[in-house]
Amino acid sequence: NAGVTQTPKFQVLKTGQSMTLQCAQDMNHNSMYWYRQDPGMGLRLIYYSASEGTTDKGEVPNGYNVSRLNKREFSLRLESAAPSQTSVYFCASIIRGFQYNEQFFGPGTRLTVL
Amino acid sequence: AQSVAQPEDQVNVAEGNPLTVKCTYSVSGNPYLFWYVQYPNRGLQFLLKYITGDNLVKGSYGFEAEFNKSQTSFHLKKPSALVSDSALYFCAVRVMTTDSWGKLQFGAGTQVVVTP
Repeated sequence: NAGVTQTPKFQVLKTGQSMTLQCAQDMNHNSMYWYRQDPGMGLRLIYYSASEGTTDKGEVPNGYNVSRLNKREFSLRLESAAPSQTSVYFCASIIRGFQYNEQFFGPGTRLTVL
Repeated sequence: AQSVAQPEDQVNVAEGNPLTVKCTYSVSGNPYLFWYVQYPNRGLQFLLKYITGDNLVKGSYGFEAEFNKSQTSFHLKKPSALVSDSALYFCAVRVMTTDSWGKLQFGAGTQVVVTP
């Protein structure tokens, strides 16, 4: 199993450009998450999808959109990138809720917005 | 508000010495607590969790954590640190959501530096 995969690994954008970060998991997990990691702030939840067909906002959703394409794939879109969105983005998945299980994380996408 | 705090930005320890990384939490109801580790340029890896039961939880790579309800703490420990334990450590607590699936609230992270 590849686990959680993310593409691309690195990306540089200019202000105002758009892009989509891709995430896929092959563990048949129900829930998927997008986080951003900034120094000194830990991981902050952007959006999550509790199950196929549903998405919900996390702590910092402004400037982002998501699509749960199917059970395996959960994409994050930046419609008009801003320098404040320079960050490392992580996708994660979990089989069900957090009562008994841990999240599995992808390797991350390092995004720089100039 | 439900939250988790890691009071130390960085912990320095000599190889072979005990390692402790502190975490305190604030939740309503029973806490579900997790520790994750992040090695450079990698995603987070699960170390251990407390759901219920014994206050001392054992996890991966020789780590353990002690749940203390009265002090609302969940400190990560390792009896003898290795240089390879140098990494960023995150404490997290489950926060309930309206759909009852739940999500994780992460602390800011503690950088552990183990010197030879």
